[in-house]
Amino acid sequence: EIVMTQSPATLSVSPGERATLSCRASQSVGSNLAWYQQKPGQPPSLLIYGASTRATGIPARFSGSGSGADFTLTISSLQSEDFAVYYCQQYNSWPPMYTFGQGTKLEIK
Amino acid sequence: EVQLVESGGGLVQPGGSLRLSCAASGFTVNSNYMSWVRQAPGKGLEWVSGIYSGGSTYHADSVKGRFTISRDNSKNTLYLQMNSLRAEDTAVYYCARGPGYCGSTNCYYYMDVWGKGTTVTVSS
Repeated sequence: EIVMTQSPATLSVSPGERATLSCRASQSVGSNLAWYQQKPGQPPSLLIYGASTRATGIPARFSGSGSGADFTLTISSLQSEDFAVYYCQQYNSWPPMYTFGQGTKLEIK
Repeated sequence: EVQLVESGGGLVQPGGSLRLSCAASGFTVNSNYMSWVRQAPGKGLEWVSGIYSGGSTYHADSVKGRFTISRDNSKNTLYLQMNSLRAEDTAVYYCARGPGYCGSTNCYYYMDVWGKGTTVTVSS
């Protein structure tokens, strides 16, 4: 099983500042990496797929980078609605056990 | 509008069974990879089961032999049959649609549409 590790567990950032979230895979997943945002009481929503492609309707302040085993989600200028929990997920493994990271909680500083 | 609506959750005793349903609208279930993902209270996301458009199914090791994913094309609905339930199966269960692509040997799917979830509580 591919283990996904996110860091930090909690990130405190002020509105308007940049946030950088990391995700590391226990083995290469190529570019088969997605990022999801989850707000309290809501299902996850897709932000990024293919490591760097924004999903439909996602603002340009969200960007993804990386390949292989190390990935980054950057939010360039935090808005109030961006404070949430973010999960990375690999979808490269076979059999398709599509594992998630444990999440990074982005909170207001 | 593309939408997924789960139902069937509830309180069940350890060892009991439940069948979750996920009704799709705006697209056809049998043309897509579909999956179930769960989230235990206060915890992260765990992929549970997936079914390919061709009908192949896969389950996480934690539920293998106890859970079965299936679909009814006539009802455009995805199901998760859960047997021999344990306390650690307590979670919100989400269904999700998986677009993606196929390479030379495998196919790869992320999850672009999620339902709001249905809650399963396993307790005596």
